[in-house]
Amino acid sequence: NAGVMQNPRHLVRRRGQEARLRCSPMKGHSHVYWYRQLPEEGLKFMVYLQKENIIDESGMPKERFSAEFPKEGPSILRIQQVVRGDSAAYFCASSPLPPGQGSSEFFGPGTRLTVL
Amino acid sequence: QQQVKQSPQSLIVQKGGIPIINCAYENTAFDYFPWYQQFPGKGPALLIAIRPDVSEKKEGRFTISFNKSAKQFSLHIMDSQPGDSATYFCAATGTYKYIFGTGTRLKVLA
Repeated sequence: NAGVMQNPRHLVRRRGQEARLRCSPMKGHSHVYWYRQLPEEGLKFMVYLQKENIIDESGMPKERFSAEFPKEGPSILRIQQVVRGDSAAYFCASSPLPPGQGSSEFFGPGTRLTVL
Repeated sequence: QQQVKQSPQSLIVQKGGIPIINCAYENTAFDYFPWYQQFPGKGPALLIAIRPDVSEKKEGRFTISFNKSAKQFSLHIMDSQPGDSATYFCAATGTYKYIFGTGTRLKVLA
């Protein structure tokens, strides 16, 4: 059973370009979470999605950032017009059950975004 | 009320020592508490988790102690090894979101 997969693992973009980060959850998991981590810092919650629905996007900046989890295919975190401050590691996690029902999240290896 | 406070921020122990990492929460709706281990350049990996209906859980050299009345829980690493050097995160979940602590950087000296 493959774990959570993220690609690309490393992504370099110039200021103003778009970054697309992809996450394939574990088989049987329909709950996906995105986190951002700056060097030497903790995990900052961005967004929680179920298939075709955004459940909680309270941690996501209102502008330039969007996320989706379509019925078919991976979850996508999209960052438009990237700025240097967007440089970070972005982690995706998935779980088989919603939070509060006793299941843990399982994390992918992350995408390290560098904005030049 | 949604925060999980984790301490210490960093910790250095000798090989064989028992590092202890503490977390405290406010929200009584939290009912599941996992711990994660993260090595540099890697994603967090689930270590061990506990529900508040038990006061202690052991898996190998890792033990969670849970104090429901104090709303605190802690991770103990028995017979720590240099390979345990990593960042450890506690987390809590209740109704609809996982809340993570700020992390503890552990270094185990050989």
